[in-house]
Amino acid sequence: EAGVAQSPRYKIIEKRQSVAFWCNPISGHATLYWYQQILGQGPKLLIQFQNNGVVDDSQLPKDRFSAERLKGVDSTLKIQPAKLEDSAVYLCASSPPVTNYGYTFGSGTRLTVV
Amino acid sequence: SQQGEEDPQALSIQEGENATMNCSYKTSINNLQWYRQNSGRGLVHLILIRSNEREKHSGRLRVTLDTSKKSSSLLITASRAADTASYFCATPMSGSARQLTFGSGTQLTVLP
Repeated sequence: EAGVAQSPRYKIIEKRQSVAFWCNPISGHATLYWYQQILGQGPKLLIQFQNNGVVDDSQLPKDRFSAERLKGVDSTLKIQPAKLEDSAVYLCASSPPVTNYGYTFGSGTRLTVV
Repeated sequence: SQQGEEDPQALSIQEGENATMNCSYKTSINNLQWYRQNSGRGLVHLILIRSNEREKHSGRLRVTLDTSKKSSSLLITASRAADTASYFCATPMSGSARQLTFGSGTQLTVLP
């Protein structure tokens, strides 16, 4: 089966600019996650979608981050305006709507804010 | 908040040796998962062990779970240079069956 697709792979922007990341999960996976991974750390959950609804966005910095999952398939994560501390890898993952099942991750987008 | 933490932070071994990584967590869980991350790539799911299981095998991987000690270990036998990667344990967040929280990982280097 096709994996989780993410684009772009790399992005360099200046602080205060905006950026958007795109994710296409595995077909049939109702649950989609966005994680932020700062260099040397483990991934940290930003937001979880179930179909096109938000399950949990409690760790999303809503003053600058936004995410949507229209039609319950693709998702976009946006940062506006970006700060230096947003430099990280942004990972998208999906899973079927059952417990005791692992995630499938995309390759991530490496964001550098200068 | 972080639930699991791996130990050691870094491990360097020779090809053919076994590698053991440990994970400790804080609250009750219904499963624990291990993931691998090669440099510059996404995470790959390796194995999931349920709370009622004590040991699970997958190829050269062996995972144990001790719920009384709130700890797990991942053993990679007969390591290869291609096993060089970061390894993360992940546990469900409190109050959520499916949201995972990850530790900071163990960086494994297998020297040829």
